[in-house]
Amino acid sequence: QQQVKQSPQSLIVQKGGISIINCAYENTAFDYFPWYQQFPGKGPALLIAIRPDVSEKKEGRFTISFNKSAKQFSLHIMDSQPGDSATYFCAAIPFNTGKLIFGQGTTLQVKP
Amino acid sequence: SQTIHQWPATLVQPVGSPLSLECTVEGTSNPNLYWYRQAAGRGLQLLFYSVGIGQISSEVPQNLSASRPQDRQFILSSKKLLLSDSGFYLCAWSISGGADEQFFGPGTRLTVL
Repeated sequence: QQQVKQSPQSLIVQKGGISIINCAYENTAFDYFPWYQQFPGKGPALLIAIRPDVSEKKEGRFTISFNKSAKQFSLHIMDSQPGDSATYFCAAIPFNTGKLIFGQGTTLQVKP
Repeated sequence: SQTIHQWPATLVQPVGSPLSLECTVEGTSNPNLYWYRQAAGRGLQLLFYSVGIGQISSEVPQNLSASRPQDRQFILSSKKLLLSDSGFYLCAWSISGGADEQFFGPGTRLTVL
């Protein structure tokens, strides 16, 4: 079964620090790797995404690092802010399916 | 611009009662539509997806069913709810033809007692 494994389950970071969330996927043909941010009681919203032909993508304070050979990708949040406190999900889409396979989620708390 | 609506926002139902959750999308045509369930403290599980009117694919065998009576309307149903059906139900849409980004609705919190 296709899986995406996410860690840590929860993360506490001081304001201004770097938040790092890791994901690993198993042996399958994924071709799109998005990260979603979800606030309590709300639907997830796309934060940033990457394709496997790129090793890194940066958008503002958010960076995805992608290691195709290791089948791993991570989200880095620089200068973390209390407003970043949310649950973050990594996901992957198998080639030409459109079906999101989500990681288990990471609850991030940024302390002021 | 495109928007996605879900209702109701919250629902409390007794075990054995029927269920109907509705999702509609505005501002786009022929979208791919998806139903996900999110159990407390867990990730999202794809339940159903649809690439067109009347076309439904089920991802997980369960007590639920889905229908797409109109291009931009997606309905999640059950004839008899179970306690295990409690959760946060999310509808999402994406552009048809292979685009990857999915846009999620605000969700419905279902509690089965």
